[in-house]
Amino acid sequence: DTEVTQTPKHLVMGMTNKKSLKCEQHMGHRAMYWYKQKAKKPPELMFVYSYEKLSINESVPSRFSPECPNSSLLNLHLHALQPEDSALYLCASSQAYSGNTIYFGEGSWLTVV
Amino acid sequence: DAKTTQPTSMDCAEGRAANLPCNHSTISGNEYVYWYRQIHSQGPQYIIHGLKNNETNEMASLIITEDRKSSTLILPHATLRDTAVYYCIVRVAGNQGGKLIFGQGTELSVKP
Repeated sequence: DTEVTQTPKHLVMGMTNKKSLKCEQHMGHRAMYWYKQKAKKPPELMFVYSYEKLSINESVPSRFSPECPNSSLLNLHLHALQPEDSALYLCASSQAYSGNTIYFGEGSWLTVV
Repeated sequence: DAKTTQPTSMDCAEGRAANLPCNHSTISGNEYVYWYRQIHSQGPQYIIHGLKNNETNEMASLIITEDRKSSTLILPHATLRDTAVYYCIVRVAGNQGGKLIFGQGTELSVKP
């Protein structure tokens, strides 16, 4: 089973709202990732967590705040977003951040109004 | 930046083999070739990966040239459900880890 579950599937939020995207995996994976994908573009890496510690931040604006409360969960906290942040947000996981195959969830569609 | 070059789009007749090429002329000795696909509005799906030998699994075959500068993903009997964007990605493996950086991909349309 290679399942990464993301909630919610769709989210509409105002520019002053605070919301969170959630990701869960029960494969025992110790690396988790957030990607952002704009329409008609490839996914872009945002963050990498390895053993619950943030190991890569691809210069993402601070209005996106990741959190890894335990090895199975990954959150992305959203605050003061802009309409251009509207995108598909993809969570992924792998056994470790050492070249193991990365498995993706179905994504959360975010619309900022 | 992505280190691969793929055609923007390809068509394939249903039931025929789909051969998707990828150029990665600057690949290093410790880099693998990964293939993912993304069906519209879904998350990317892992297909196959390889280092230098040809690989086959239940979804596809991966043929890597001897100089490792290019590869071909083969879907042996394409169906309409194989219509998707296919991404070829070069990625460092092993203890050094390696970011999965997506290029533009090939949009494959399987037609009846």
